[in-house]
Amino acid sequence: GNSVTQMEGPVTLSEEAFLTINCTYTATGYPSLFWYVQYPGEGLQLLLKATKADDKGSNKGFEATYRKETTSFHLEKGSVQVSDSAVYFCALSESTGGFKTIFGAGTRLFVKA
Amino acid sequence: DTGVSQDPRHKITKRGQNVTFRCDPISEHNRLYWYRQTLGQGPEFLTYFQNEAQLEKSRLLSDRFSAERPKGSFSTLEIQRTEQGDSAMYLCASSSGEGKLFFGSGTQLSVL
Repeated sequence: GNSVTQMEGPVTLSEEAFLTINCTYTATGYPSLFWYVQYPGEGLQLLLKATKADDKGSNKGFEATYRKETTSFHLEKGSVQVSDSAVYFCALSESTGGFKTIFGAGTRLFVKA
Repeated sequence: DTGVSQDPRHKITKRGQNVTFRCDPISEHNRLYWYRQTLGQGPEFLTYFQNEAQLEKSRLLSDRFSAERPKGSFSTLEIQRTEQGDSAMYLCASSSGEGKLFFGSGTQLSVL
């Protein structure tokens, strides 16, 4: 079945460091790919998305590129801030069948001042 | 637009009791999803509605779980004969069909 695998956390970085959180997926068809973020004490919210191969999603300085050849959707940010501390979830939305969204286990990010 | 709302925020119950949660989606969204999330894990899909029709149910979901969405508006998730393993955060999300999910704050269930 369809699945999402993302790197285990926690990831601890100093402010202004470069961030990469790896995400790979297994899916039939042509899924859409997403990164959701959960800030402390808040619900999940969409960070960015990409709907087809080679698309780049971006928001708040974060970017991710839909790589069909490597089935990956890695999240990057050039300079993290303390306010980026959160849990990040990679997800795919099925393009066939039920169209449900499947989530990875999440990666917790801590950014130190 | 008040977003997705869930009620109650917290529920403590004794093993063997039945519980029911409510979700009110964003009004113009025709798709509604239920997920379960345990500590350190991502949301796990439970079931999905398009309007009032329940289109998919996770094979992992036991027959103690049932969900309804009468008239395609709010939805309820009922758990019968609760077990300690049912303790989790139950999340509701709605969508207009473009893939982006809008989540509620969840109902935290504790089964003693």
